[in-house]
Amino acid sequence: GAVVSQHPSWVICKSGTSVKIECRSLDFQATTMFWYRQFPKQSLMLMATSNEGSKATYEQGVEKDKFLINHASLTLSTLTVTSAHPEDSSFYICSAPRGPNQPQHFGDGTRLSIL
Amino acid sequence: DAKTTQPTSMDCAEGRAANLPCNHSTISGNEYVYWYRQIHSQGPQYIIHGLKNNETNEMASLIITEDRKSSTLILPHATLRDTAVYYCTAVGTYKYIFGTGTRLKVLA
Repeated sequence: GAVVSQHPSWVICKSGTSVKIECRSLDFQATTMFWYRQFPKQSLMLMATSNEGSKATYEQGVEKDKFLINHASLTLSTLTVTSAHPEDSSFYICSAPRGPNQPQHFGDGTRLSIL
Repeated sequence: DAKTTQPTSMDCAEGRAANLPCNHSTISGNEYVYWYRQIHSQGPQYIIHGLKNNETNEMASLIITEDRKSSTLILPHATLRDTAVYYCTAVGTYKYIFGTGTRLKVLA
């Protein structure tokens, strides 16, 4: 069964609203989680590293004020897309490793559509 | 983290072995090679990983060259359900950088 749960799986909202996506590790604690974005027929692009109890680390070109990440507990990281616009429409995926040199487990993704 | 390159697409007949190559010529000594696959509109699924020895599990085999600059994922008896995009990535700590992947199509 799934070890990383992502919610919601699909969301449609109006331009200008903020959308929160949750990523939970179900049977292990994850001090680090990762957020990716994927456009149609493209590869996954790493957006940021979510660190429990500290600030997230963003990849170059990713606006931290646009994509707010909170990792308040060892099993939950959230990504909030603030003031979303149509160009933010994408497939967002989170992942978490069980430990060093261990495979990462990916959520099933959230398809975000901004009208 | 080392950059990886893979062929864009491959076809394989159902029941035959699928051999998917990956080049990671800049890999460093502490970086593992991981393989994942992604079926349409789902999150990536872990397949296998290795450091320098060949590895086998219930899903696939991983062959890593002696110089570690390339590897091959082998699906021994491909089925239609193996149609997916396959990604290899070289990982030193936790951070995964995905390349373009190989779109494998298994043909009936």
